[in-house]
Amino acid sequence: NAGVMQNPRHLVRRRGQEARLRCSPMKGHSHVYWYRQLPEEGLKFMVYLQKENIIDESGMPKERFSAEFPKEGPSILRIQQVVRGDSAAYFCASSPETHSEKLFFGSGTQLSVL
Amino acid sequence: DQQVKQNSPSLSVQEGRISILNCDYTNSMFDYFLWYKKYPAEGPTFLISISSIKDKNEDGRFTVFLNKSAKHLSLHIVPSQPGDSAVYFCAASEGNYGGSQGNLIFGKGTKLSVKP
Repeated sequence: NAGVMQNPRHLVRRRGQEARLRCSPMKGHSHVYWYRQLPEEGLKFMVYLQKENIIDESGMPKERFSAEFPKEGPSILRIQQVVRGDSAAYFCASSPETHSEKLFFGSGTQLSVL
Repeated sequence: DQQVKQNSPSLSVQEGRISILNCDYTNSMFDYFLWYKKYPAEGPTFLISISSIKDKNEDGRFTVFLNKSAKHLSLHIVPSQPGDSAVYFCAASEGNYGGSQGNLIFGKGTKLSVKP
């Protein structure tokens, strides 16, 4: 009964490098959400995806950030040219259907930018 | 501008007593509220929820109360156990029944410590 799987758990990047965060939703779930938690803050919504479609990206920074959820494979959150301010915990969540208030979260990826 | 506020960063309670965690919100369009529990190095885990048409929802030791006129909700845990020690996040959503989905607005969390 695998839950939402995120990898890597920890990712260290130098300024200017690219970060790729992966998320495999729970089995049977076709909706994926990415959230970011900055230190001492609550989780902030970034993007909601279904297979091959971005449904809501209202929380995504306008530049350097992109997300995809291909037909096959995990969802990817990509951050280009990382800066120190990108250091945060990035959580992926999945749900089995729309209008589902119960999101199942992964353990997160802690991104550290040196 | 924070739409969901948890004004107590931490709370310490004796085992067996009641824990009361509070949450205030500003957006009157929120119609669904949730509490998540988070242990260190883990993702948040759904605990309990309440829709705006109710004022109380109970699940075992956990009860959530909603006061819409005050835009306030609270989570009661009774009796509190050491295993309840975690960070508790209040979250809200707007238009859950027909609107946006999955866009939860989270508070900053309250760290609960239950002492044996």
